Amino acid sequence: DAKTTQPPSMDCAEGRAANLPCNHSTISGNEYVYWYRQIHSQGPQYIIHGLKNNETNEMASLIITEDRKSSTLILPHATLRDTAVYYCIVRPGGSYIPTFGRGTSLIVHP
Amino acid sequence: GAVVSQHPSRVICKSGTSVKIECRSLDFQATTMFWYRQFPKQSLMLMATSNEGSKATYEQGVEKDKFLINHASLTLSTLTVTSAHPEDSSFYICSASSPGQGSSGANVLTFGAGSRLTVL
Repeated sequence: DAKTTQPPSMDCAEGRAANLPCNHSTISGNEYVYWYRQIHSQGPQYIIHGLKNNETNEMASLIITEDRKSSTLILPHATLRDTAVYYCIVRPGGSYIPTFGRGTSLIVHP
Repeated sequence: GAVVSQHPSRVICKSGTSVKIECRSLDFQATTMFWYRQFPKQSLMLMATSNEGSKATYEQGVEKDKFLINHASLTLSTLTVTSAHPEDSSFYICSASSPGQGSSGANVLTFGAGSRLTVL
């Protein structure tokens, strides 16, 4: 599986956009990029996923570079409730099991 | 959307006793569920894959006789921590593949809220 690299921590002001980067330079053609987050003492929550194209849903936007070697998760208007650990995971299509790295701890401050 | 219910959310037990944690998929069937363990300030570690009607597949280093997994129906998987000891204290989380969320080829997981086990 492709390895991902994320900054260990980031912070963001409430109301501003939070841009969380992920490097996956060894990604292969059939691997998807998934983002999950884990709020303290809760189970992880799915946010978004993509293969090649940029994606947007009610929670966030996912921007994948043309060479697919990196991606950025964008929370357009961060709130205090978005404080969590964000995990970027790369997995082949048809494979269920995400394995979790250390993720990025995002702190949204007032 | 898909919901996975996990129970109990917190449990405290004495050393040497067994504890059962239930994981239910609500309104959808899950032929496969996954069990993770998370120690404080660490990431989630996959323990085992639970398959309905067959034996679970355990990750390397996870004792199958200590962590008994039963997946007796398409909506229920259970994890039993047998003869629990203080070092088994952890946050246990289950998950199942969510129907309808994945685009062609993708697989999205829905996670339970987790069960915090404290062994005294």
